[in-house]
Amino acid sequence: DAGVTQSPTHLIKTRGQQVTLRCSPKSGHDTVSWYQQALGQGPQFIFQYYEEEERQRGNFPDRFSGHQFPNYSSELNVNALLLGDSALYLCASSLEGRALSGANVLTFGAGSRLTVL
Amino acid sequence: AQSVTQPDIHITVSEGASLELRCNYSYGATPYLFWYVQSPGQGLQLLLKYFSGDTLVQGIKGFEAEFKRSQSSFNLRKPSVHWSDAAEYFCAVGVPRYNNNDMRFGAGTRLTVKP
Repeated sequence: DAGVTQSPTHLIKTRGQQVTLRCSPKSGHDTVSWYQQALGQGPQFIFQYYEEEERQRGNFPDRFSGHQFPNYSSELNVNALLLGDSALYLCASSLEGRALSGANVLTFGAGSRLTVL
Repeated sequence: AQSVTQPDIHITVSEGASLELRCNYSYGATPYLFWYVQSPGQGLQLLLKYFSGDTLVQGIKGFEAEFKRSQSSFNLRKPSVHWSDAAEYFCAVGVPRYNNNDMRFGAGTRLTVKP
């Protein structure tokens, strides 16, 4: 059973460019969350997608946007890249159905490491 | 909003020694609490979680954690550390409402294991 898969694993961009990161959730999961992990820090919540809509958003500018597809996979887009956007971007999936019990647990992918020069 | 503090940035222990990683949280009620481990180049793996009930929870790889409401703490312990435990450990707090989407992570504690 495949877990959460992310692509690409590494990429290098220059300031001002745009990037798209992709995530396939764990089989059976329907909710995707994105986190940014800067070097030496814990993951910071960017946003979460469920039923193809952004359900909640963290403290990130509009340059960060996303999308969820009918097959539950998701993309994270970042426009007008800044040096400070260099980080490991983690995708996590979960099953919405468990939310009623509050026992929703995130399963993380290995991440996409973005370097902005 | 909830927040998490991991006071120790880096801890070094000898293989076979006991381990305790500290975690303090700030939240108005009892949150959901988690410990994750991250090896180099890997994503985060869930070690254990606390939602309610018994305040001592057992996790994978021989880890356990104890929730202490009076101290707002959720410290991670292991009686005997193995070299393979060297990694980054993150404590996280989730708000017990509709979903755990608003999960906050600590800055992490890096564990080095000496032979």
